[in-house]
Amino acid sequence: QKEVEQNSGPLSVPEGAIASLNCTYSDRGSQSFFWYRQYSGKSPELIMSIYSNGDKEDGRFTAQLNKASQYVSLLIRDSQPSDSATYLCAVNDNYGQNFVFGPGTRLSVLP
Amino acid sequence: KAGVTQTPRYLIKTRGQQVTLSCSPISGHRSVSWYQQTPGQGLQFLFEYFSETQRNKGNFPGRFSGRQFSNSRSEMNVSTLELGDSALYLCASSFGQQGAEAFFGQGTRLTVV
Repeated sequence: QKEVEQNSGPLSVPEGAIASLNCTYSDRGSQSFFWYRQYSGKSPELIMSIYSNGDKEDGRFTAQLNKASQYVSLLIRDSQPSDSATYLCAVNDNYGQNFVFGPGTRLSVLP
Repeated sequence: KAGVTQTPRYLIKTRGQQVTLSCSPISGHRSVSWYQQTPGQGLQFLFEYFSETQRNKGNFPGRFSGRQFSNSRSEMNVSTLELGDSALYLCASSFGQQGAEAFFGQGTRLTVV
């Protein structure tokens, strides 16, 4: 059973701080990793994808991947109240056919 | 470029009825995946279609079925609806290869009464 785990939160950070969201996965054969943001009542929106060990930056977002530790993280710099949402980690298997989603971490950015 | 379109957006059905949901993927995408999202269970994978073939299936009863047409549009059917089927049903489209990013539609909110 392939599993993706995340802390459910809520994770509360003050406005302007760095929010750190973590994700672990069980399938060592996983090749592709994604972060989605989901506002309450809305559908998930793709934020970033990462495929290689190391960091990938896009604006205020940085994804970090460590395949040896089976660990993916998302850092949000200069957090804004509009970042308050649930963040879903998704892992794609080696064949690209199946996304496994974590339960999501609820982030609350306090003004 | 148009996104993923799901219809209808909202649906109310009674127990025992059946329902059909539709998903039109992003142009050029050949893979459509369906998910059920409930507050307690999160995003649960239903099935994935690629070029009209079901490639992968989650752990849902046979009341849940789907199909994909030659234009990549997909439909999902739920027969003999139960109260527990009330959920947000999401479809996601992608190119379908390893590493391809998936994009979600706005979802269909199904309420079974």
